[in-house]
Amino acid sequence: DTAVSQTPKYLVTQMGNDKSIKCEQNLGHDTMYWYKQDSKKFLKIMFSYNNKELIINETVPNRFSPKSPDKAHLNLHINSLELGDSAVYFCASRLRGLSNEKLFFGSGTQLSVL
Amino acid sequence: AQTVTQSQPEMSVQEAETVTLSCTYDTSESNYYLFWYKQPPSRQMILVIRQEAYKQQNATENRFSVNFQKAAKSFSLKISDSQLGDTAMYFCAFTYTGNQFYFGTGTSLTVIP
Repeated sequence: DTAVSQTPKYLVTQMGNDKSIKCEQNLGHDTMYWYKQDSKKFLKIMFSYNNKELIINETVPNRFSPKSPDKAHLNLHINSLELGDSAVYFCASRLRGLSNEKLFFGSGTQLSVL
Repeated sequence: AQTVTQSQPEMSVQEAETVTLSCTYDTSESNYYLFWYKQPPSRQMILVIRQEAYKQQNATENRFSVNFQKAAKSFSLKISDSQLGDTAMYFCAFTYTGNQFYFGTGTSLTVIP
């Protein structure tokens, strides 16, 4: 009964391929995020959805496309993978507006582009 | 603009000793939340402690406590009786009623046996 689950945990692929990472949360949260953590451990927000609506879209190559079929799911599709895309990608979720604000993270997907 | 600064990229502490990790932030918001997240080698991001800006009392969670200085915009984490399992990357984070969580660049803490 993992709260925020993302799959796969590891993804090794060749340059130029297209890949997807899936994320699901069973917490009833209304807002979901994708973060990228680079080799220096810096966490950079990529996208955020609230109730299936895109609300944060940081400067990210348009090869990255998020999709939220419902508020419990936020997937990340990456086209034409490049070496620089190698990183750990974290999905996260929160329930906005409550006094107990906090961000719940998935376990991360380590993407290696060869 | 909101920023979070962690000025200590790396720190170490002897087992059973106490260590303090520093964090400063900048915001014009009056109502916000501050967090410390821990990322051990397993990669999982774990919430360590949370502070609400409108509460003057410093948050504590077992061996973890914070020193929240609102006027100085400072939010340091104190770890008492350090254990080997505390070895991890620690991230300071901030959010307000908007959507963004802002993270610092992290402090890598090593607990030495």
